[in-house]
Amino acid sequence: AQSVTQLDSQVPVFEEAPVELRCNYSSSVSVYLFWYVQYPNQGLQLLLKYLSGSTLVESINGFEAEFNKSQTSFHLRKPSVHISDTAEYFCAVSDPGNTPLVFGKGTRLSVIA
Amino acid sequence: ETGVTQSPTHLIKTRGQQVTLRCSSQSGHNTVSWYQQALGQGPQFIFQYYREEENGRGNFPPRFSGLQFPNYSSELNVNALELDDSALYLCASSQAGGPGTGELFFGEGSRLTVL
Repeated sequence: AQSVTQLDSQVPVFEEAPVELRCNYSSSVSVYLFWYVQYPNQGLQLLLKYLSGSTLVESINGFEAEFNKSQTSFHLRKPSVHISDTAEYFCAVSDPGNTPLVFGKGTRLSVIA
Repeated sequence: ETGVTQSPTHLIKTRGQQVTLRCSSQSGHNTVSWYQQALGQGPQFIFQYYREEENGRGNFPPRFSGLQFPNYSSELNVNALELDDSALYLCASSQAGGPGTGELFFGEGSRLTVL
């Protein structure tokens, strides 16, 4: 069964600084990878996903993640964060096909003014 | 386009009671999944329904059960509540192809507290 490890439970960062949220998954022949964001008292929103093709995927609000098969990683990055990026970020993985998502424990990103 | 809606948003129960949580899926979606998110944890898959049939289940006991209706709305029922059932329960809907395609749309959740 798939598993996901998010190495940092909390990441504080100053506004306009770069950030990287780390995610590693258990090895598999092929996987689908996702990052979800959860703002306080809200449900989860899909931020970006990797299904196939280019290993670098981007979101509309400046986040990007790179699928690295050899390192079984899917780290999330943003070159310059804003206060509004403060939220909980979840990495998730699934096997291709109609299989459920397996989530990591989440990383709380706190952007400091 | 109507998003995923869940009710109630908050509720408090006592140990041993039963609870029903409800979910209306996003328009055009025929698959519903339920997840349990304990405090400080990531969501854990409970089960999934597709066209009124359960077609996937996580590591949860039988006292967690569900239904999907012809309009694709869904219920999650939990019997004999335990303290550890306290959590945020998330409903997610998707189109055929299910969670594996990643197109899950989540509701805001029902926060259950068991005393």
